[in-house]
Amino acid sequence: NAGVTQTPKFQVLKTGQSMTLQCAQDMNHEYMSWYRQDPGMGLRLIHYSVGAGITDQGEVPNGYNVSRSTTEDFPLRLLSAAPSQTSVYFCASSYSVLAGGPSLNEQFFGPGTRLTVL
Amino acid sequence: AQTVTQSQPEMSVQEAETVTLSCTYDTSENNYYLFWYKQPPSRQMILVIRQEAYKQQNATENRFSVNFQKAAKSFSLKISDSQLGDTAMYFCAFRGGSEKLVFGKGTKLTVNP
Repeated sequence: NAGVTQTPKFQVLKTGQSMTLQCAQDMNHEYMSWYRQDPGMGLRLIHYSVGAGITDQGEVPNGYNVSRSTTEDFPLRLLSAAPSQTSVYFCASSYSVLAGGPSLNEQFFGPGTRLTVL
Repeated sequence: AQTVTQSQPEMSVQEAETVTLSCTYDTSENNYYLFWYKQPPSRQMILVIRQEAYKQQNATENRFSVNFQKAAKSFSLKISDSQLGDTAMYFCAFRGGSEKLVFGKGTKLTVNP
């Protein structure tokens, strides 16, 4: 099992550019999510999905788009990058309790992507 | 909305000693789950320990244990026999019925030789 993989590991963008952060998992998890981590702020939820075709907003969704066409993949799109989006981005996955998975299940995290927007 | 508060931004401990990291949370739910994650300098998020709210017995994983006080909404992490490899950021997290994980802002722990 590769677990949760994220690409790229590092990225530098100019203001206004768009890009997609890739996330994939091979554990057949229904639940996937994206977080951003900023100094002193912990991890904040951007978007999440409880299964293919279902997505919803988290705490800080503005400026980001997601889609979930397969169970394995959950890409995060930055439509027009801004310096405020400079951060470390984590993708995570887990079984979904709502889909009948175990209740005390942990979220598995990818290695993160460090994004700098100039 | 649920909130998680870690009141100690930074802590330090001598190697082989014991340290306790604090976490409080706010929720109106009765069934929920609590987690402590460790983030070493490698940036990887690693699950340390987890607790189900309906279980009164405190969870233990080797040198790591929790003190779960449901009425007080407190979930502290105790690290015994601290090791240099325990140096990391530690995040407390809450998961309720919505399945969303809510994190505290973290405590930076330094273990000194």
